[in-house]
Amino acid sequence: NAGVTQTPKFRVLKTGQSMTLLCAQDMNHEYMYWYRQDPGMGLRLIHYSVGEGTTAKGEVPDGYNVSRLKKQNFLLGLESAAPSQTSVYFCASRGNRDRAYEQYFGPGTRLTVT
Amino acid sequence: AQKITQTQPGMFVQEKEAVTLDCTYDTSDPSYGLFWYKQPSSGEMIFLIYQGSYDQQNATEGRYSLNFQKARKSANLVISASQLGDSAMYFCAMRGRSGNTPLVFGKGTRLSVIA
Repeated sequence: NAGVTQTPKFRVLKTGQSMTLLCAQDMNHEYMYWYRQDPGMGLRLIHYSVGEGTTAKGEVPDGYNVSRLKKQNFLLGLESAAPSQTSVYFCASRGNRDRAYEQYFGPGTRLTVT
Repeated sequence: AQKITQTQPGMFVQEKEAVTLDCTYDTSDPSYGLFWYKQPSSGEMIFLIYQGSYDQQNATEGRYSLNFQKARKSANLVISASQLGDSAMYFCAMRGRSGNTPLVFGKGTRLSVIA
């Protein structure tokens, strides 16, 4: 199992450009999450999904959109990037069976917006 | 709403000594779970330990133990016999067990282990 993977690992954008971050998991997990991590702020939830075709807003959803068309994939989109979106983005997933409490994280995507 | 507070931005500990990282929480859920994650300088999030609010005993995983005091709403992480490889950021997190609530994280504590 690859677990949770994120593409790309690094990206530099100019203000106003758009991009999509891909998260994929091969554990057949129901729940998937996107977080951002900024210095001194811990991890803050952007959006999450409780199943294929569903999405919900987290703590800091503005400026982001998400889609969960397939159970194994959770996409995070930035339509018009801003310097305030410079951050490290983590995807995570969780099942609802054995060890359902454990949330598995991807390796992160470091995004810089200039 | 759930909230996690970690009041120690940074901690130092001598190698082979024990260290306690503080975590307090606030929630109105009667049932919830508490977590600790480690983030080394390489950046990945590593799950360490879990405590359910109705678990009778404090959770332990190797050198990690969770000192759970429900009445005080605290879930401190105790690392015994610190090693240089324990130097990292440590995050406390919680989630309500009801429904599909996501994890809520504290701001973290940076632990530095000194030789």
